[in-house]
Amino acid sequence: NAGVTQTPKFQVLKTGQSMTLQCAQDMNHEYMSWYRQDPGMGLRLIHYSVGAGITDQGEVPNGYNVSRSTTEDFPLRLLSAAPSQTSVYFCASNPRVNTEAFFGQGTRLTVV
Amino acid sequence: DQQVKQNSPSLSVQEGRISILNCDYTNSMFDYFLWYKKYPAEGPTFLISISSIKDKNEDGRFTVFLNKSAKHLSLHIVPSQPGDSAVYFCAAPMTTDSWGKLQFGAGTQVVVTP
Repeated sequence: NAGVTQTPKFQVLKTGQSMTLQCAQDMNHEYMSWYRQDPGMGLRLIHYSVGAGITDQGEVPNGYNVSRSTTEDFPLRLLSAAPSQTSVYFCASNPRVNTEAFFGQGTRLTVV
Repeated sequence: DQQVKQNSPSLSVQEGRISILNCDYTNSMFDYFLWYKKYPAEGPTFLISISSIKDKNEDGRFTVFLNKSAKHLSLHIVPSQPGDSAVYFCAAPMTTDSWGKLQFGAGTQVVVTP
């Protein structure tokens, strides 16, 4: 099992560009989440999904869209990148019951 | 609103000694608390958890203590090893039915020196 796979690992965008961060998990987990990590702020929840076709907002959802068409994939879309979205993004998955979340290796995004 | 707080951004400890990491929270409804460890350029990995009905949970060199009246928990690492050098995050699930929706503290960077 590969676990949680995020692509790309690094990305530089210009302000106003759009892109999709990919996240895939092969553990058949129902629950998937996106977080961003900024210096001095820990990780903050952007969006999460409790199953295919079901998504909801986290703490900092503005500027991001998600969809969950399959159990395995949970892409995060930036519609119009802004410098404030420069961050490290982590995708996570976990079974619906109370067990720990497994994180991907992260995507470092810079918006110039 | 930061409901989970780690007020010490860094901690330096000698190899073999005890590392004590602290975490405070404001939401008395949290049912569980988790500690994650993170190395540079990697995702966080789960370390240990504690239920709000317990005051201690131990797993090898790692022990987490919970003081509900003070809304405070701590992670003890004994003995500290060079491989423990990492950032440690305290976290709490925001919902009762899944640990995927987490509120994190800001993290504590631990450096274990020889």
